[in-house]
Amino acid sequence: AQKITQTQPGMFVQEKEAVTLDCTYDTSDPSYGLFWYKQPSSGEMIFLIYQGSYDQQNATEGRYSLNFQKARKSANLVISASQLGDSAMYFCAMREGPLSGYSTLTFGKGTMLLVSP
Amino acid sequence: DAGVTQSPTHLIKTRGQQVTLRCSPKSGHDTVSWYQQALGQGPQFIFQYYEEEERQRGNFPDRFSGHQFPNYSSELNVNALLLGDSALYLCASSLGGEPSTDTQYFGPGTRLTVL
Repeated sequence: AQKITQTQPGMFVQEKEAVTLDCTYDTSDPSYGLFWYKQPSSGEMIFLIYQGSYDQQNATEGRYSLNFQKARKSANLVISASQLGDSAMYFCAMREGPLSGYSTLTFGKGTMLLVSP
Repeated sequence: DAGVTQSPTHLIKTRGQQVTLRCSPKSGHDTVSWYQQALGQGPQFIFQYYEEEERQRGNFPDRFSGHQFPNYSSELNVNALLLGDSALYLCASSLGGEPSTDTQYFGPGTRLTVL
């Protein structure tokens, strides 16, 4: 089974609207971390937000928030007030904990977000 | 504060050749991880270096090897290049004395084309 699943190959949103990018994960490790990265056409992966499996509150970083639903194993990224510069590929990633030997990052296939004026 | 840097930006090689990619980590970071990203895919983990040793390795053949220097910079070497090695190679750095929640920060990548 895939460890990270991003079911939306592409998403369209109008400027200033909010958008949710979906991510589900699969792990049996009790301790893990979830990350979202943005990759513009230039190629660099830009870190956006992190959620730990034991964090009680959903993570927020400026216009980015992570809707973490542990029982459903989902970690959706919410971008509020979209901007034209948000157009990029977005990747969800997971680092598993002690049972997996503190694995390094496993990435999903990504979601392409296009923001229109 | 200097971020992760990689060189070269682009590289074109032919099948059977060897290539070396370089990475300098973000200031203060001591751990370097390498990823391969094929077109249209998410990055795949190659290996991670800490204290000049390979700490973890992904599912890549021995043609892929690496090195970490005392200043924490790192090289990725690929021997006997195949067409399928064409990809964006990303380097990420983190602070990893022990497995932790520390975030990996990525460089701009090296785009390798094998003809």
